[in-house]
Amino acid sequence: GAGVSQSPSNKVTEKGKDVELRCDPISGHTALYWYRQRLGQGLEFLIYFQGNSAPDKSGLPSDRFSAERTGESVSTLTIQRTQQEDSAVYLCASSPPGSLGYGYTFGSGTRLTVV
Amino acid sequence: QQQVKQSPQSLIVQKGGISIINCAYENTAFDYFPWYQQFPGKGPALLIAIRPDVSEKKEGRFTISFNKSAKQFSLHIMDSQPGDSATYFCAARVPTLGRLYFGRGTQLTVWP
Repeated sequence: GAGVSQSPSNKVTEKGKDVELRCDPISGHTALYWYRQRLGQGLEFLIYFQGNSAPDKSGLPSDRFSAERTGESVSTLTIQRTQQEDSAVYLCASSPPGSLGYGYTFGSGTRLTVV
Repeated sequence: QQQVKQSPQSLIVQKGGISIINCAYENTAFDYFPWYQQFPGKGPALLIAIRPDVSEKKEGRFTISFNKSAKQFSLHIMDSQPGDSATYFCAARVPTLGRLYFGRGTQLTVWP
């Protein structure tokens, strides 16, 4: 597609439920990133996929968070047993091969509200 | 620990004025310093970027000033317009890690 697509755009869930967030990167972009943006906060790195390499999971805040990516396409971020502090906008970005952090293109994010 | 420290958190500027946002860092391995602009309900978008071998970069009304010895860089928006009202993030890259570290953001309001 023309841009990074994220779905759903908004998600309200009850505390304790599991949620899945989806990211469709720009076609041909080998790198994919997930960030979390809490209200009034900066962009908190969660996880980074680069081609077929092992993902950099160093930013995942707890074992309730996991992410998968199939090849160089769609990625899903899963949050299990959601807590109120998980409420945030979850942003996905992708970048071209070899860019190593140049040229991030962000999606519009998924706003997650845990009630 | 915040790798990139950004200030101020919020900024109000009159139309036509100069908006200045500052960032500081400690990690000398950073080799690329972009600024992102984010409008409500949208993802951040790359605005302008600089490498540390350059002290200044200008694109239209937007200028990055870079002070390598002080480990600081700043964004200047000349002739600020109401349409510039957005949240601005500075960022920095460690090339071996292939990802960006972001500041906490500055919410800019330009009023007519």
